[in-house]
Amino acid sequence: KAGVTQTPRYLIKTRGQQVTLSCSPISGHRSVSWYQQTPGQGLQFLFEYFSETQRNKGNFPGRFSGRQFSNSRSEMNVSTLELGDSALYLCASSLSGVGGSKGEQFFGPGTRLTVL
Amino acid sequence: AQSVTQPDIHITVSEGASLELRCNYSYGATPYLFWYVQSPGQGLQLLLKYFSGDTLVQGIKGFEAEFKRSQSSFNLRKPSVHWSDAAEYFCAVVPPGSGYSTLTFGKGTMLLVSP
Repeated sequence: KAGVTQTPRYLIKTRGQQVTLSCSPISGHRSVSWYQQTPGQGLQFLFEYFSETQRNKGNFPGRFSGRQFSNSRSEMNVSTLELGDSALYLCASSLSGVGGSKGEQFFGPGTRLTVL
Repeated sequence: AQSVTQPDIHITVSEGASLELRCNYSYGATPYLFWYVQSPGQGLQLLLKYFSGDTLVQGIKGFEAEFKRSQSSFNLRKPSVHWSDAAEYFCAVVPPGSGYSTLTFGKGTMLLVSP
């Protein structure tokens, strides 16, 4: 079974630009979550989508948005990039959410975003 | 404030020695508890999880963790560390009442293994 895939793996952008990151969950998984990982703040939850609906959202500005498609693939978008948005963005998928019967989120390798 | 704390930023252990990584949480009720490992350039891999029941949980790669309600702790242990265990370890919780869709992570503990 293929794991969670994220594209692209690396991105370099400049301040003010926007970026879209993609995540393909494990087949059959309906929940996709996004996390931001930085050396200073650690791992922080961005949002979670389940069956194309945003089910939960972390404490991030509105510049961060996402969506989920009918095939459960998800994208996140960051508009008006700031230097502080440089981070590893991790996507995780699960059958029905991290507290569901299986209780496990499978993480992708991440997209490394650098904002210059 | 509600949180999950990993008191040790770095730990160095000799190969073959035992390991214990600490994790404490601060919530009104017992959250779901997890340990993840992240190798350089990789995503996170689940080592083990605790929802309820037996307080000693066995995981992959020879790891185990013990839930202690009285201490609000969920410490990770391994009896004999291998060089390949060098990585960053994260304790995570699903906070009570969060809708089961979010993980809150500790800051992580970097494990270094000396020969």
